[in-house]
Amino acid sequence: DTEVTQTPKHLVMGMTNKKSLKCEQHMGHRAMYWYKQKAKKPPELMFVYSYEKLSINESVPSRFSPECPNSSLLNLHLHALQPEDSALYLCASSQGTSGRAGELFFGEGSRLTVL
Amino acid sequence: QQQVKQSPQSLIVQKGGISIINCAYENTAFDYFPWYQQFPGKGPALLIAIRPDVSEKKEGRFTISFNKSAKQFSLHIMDSQPGDSATYFCAASMHYQLIWGAGTKLIIKP
Repeated sequence: DTEVTQTPKHLVMGMTNKKSLKCEQHMGHRAMYWYKQKAKKPPELMFVYSYEKLSINESVPSRFSPECPNSSLLNLHLHALQPEDSALYLCASSQGTSGRAGELFFGEGSRLTVL
Repeated sequence: QQQVKQSPQSLIVQKGGISIINCAYENTAFDYFPWYQQFPGKGPALLIAIRPDVSEKKEGRFTISFNKSAKQFSLHIMDSQPGDSATYFCAASMHYQLIWGAGTKLIIKP
């Protein structure tokens, strides 16, 4: 069982909709991440939160808006998405952003389809 | 150079055989080298990882071999089983950055 929980598992939305993806971890990790993964590709980093503060934004379009309400929760707010944004969105956590930062714990992902 | 080059792209191995996946990197500042296993429709799961001051790490049937001078590392899966069929990603880490290989789709034939 994964210790990073993502909801919903599947989401279909139109280009004018507003929706949110949610992520929760209970491992006491202080860094949380959003990744985007297209089919047959490795995950691409979108955002990094360290100690509940946004530390990295990998030039992600503003139609994606992250939020970290507390150390266990991470949200990704979606608005006016494009069909090319359809992908598997992965949340991950790690103990920190240095040292063993490459030791990420991923959720099962939210499969997003934009019509 | 921030790339991690992974090969082969796909690999078919008979049950009980040894699966070998190779990766190479350029940046000597990388300080942690994890391997992730991903099943269809699931998120990647950390499989095994190694630091550059260690030449080999073994966990069960999975072994990482690390060659610091050649800037190469590889994953060996001994006694490969059909349940090992998945996509494997090598990666190299430095601070928050995790640079991923392109992935290897491994199929174990019964």
